[in-house]
Amino acid sequence: QPVLTQPPSVSASLGASVTLTCTLSSGYSNYKVDWYQQRPGKGPRFVMRVGTGGIVGSKGDGIPDRFSVLGSGLNRYLTIKNIQEEDESDYHCGADHGSGSNFVWVFGGGTKLTVL
Amino acid sequence: QVQLVESGGGVVQPGRSLRLSCAASRFTFSSYAMYWVRQAPGKGLEWVAVISYDGTNKYYADSVKGRFTISRDNSKSTLYLQMNSLRAEDTALYYCARRYCRDLVTACDAFDIWGQGTRVTVSS
Repeated sequence: QPVLTQPPSVSASLGASVTLTCTLSSGYSNYKVDWYQQRPGKGPRFVMRVGTGGIVGSKGDGIPDRFSVLGSGLNRYLTIKNIQEEDESDYHCGADHGSGSNFVWVFGGGTKLTVL
Repeated sequence: QVQLVESGGGVVQPGRSLRLSCAASRFTFSSYAMYWVRQAPGKGLEWVAVISYDGTNKYYADSVKGRFTISRDNSKSTLYLQMNSLRAEDTALYYCARRYCRDLVTACDAFDIWGQGTRVTVSS
């Protein structure tokens, strides 16, 4: 099954841009990944799904245009432009994996975004 | 509004059991695959189990296989997680979440509705 790797933390200044990375393990370059935002003390919220061709489907409810995604090789990127204080959150990526009669959902370790 | 409300968490000794519930409201519960996802204190999200819309397909993370059982009662719009032989490492906030899947537990949309979580602490 795939392993999704995320850096533990990233920081960015108010109004700047930041790109979060989710890296799939070797052999899973065709996998789509979902991004979730989790604000402090809250449950996760769907941001958007990304494949190698970019966004798959629609953004989650209320996700601003400042959020975008890109996929390349084993990497799935979430870019946030003009960062706002409310963007300070943990960001999780995840993917389905089915093999024969088994099925798993895999999360990355999450990235904590700190807004400076 | 559409919501999921978990209950049943608490403090339990290692080796004991606990049953979590997740009550769904204002949507057709029987149309959705349902998941349990947990988050240990200060850690990331970990998928625990999934059950198809009709209850026929169930899958578990290796960390809980053989100890946890997921089930649902579509007539009551309620999801369950029976947790046996609990360990300290099962301590976490447990969320239920829904996904619309076109084929049991495959070809699924994103997790679009999450509950607020119920806290489980396993400690002697």
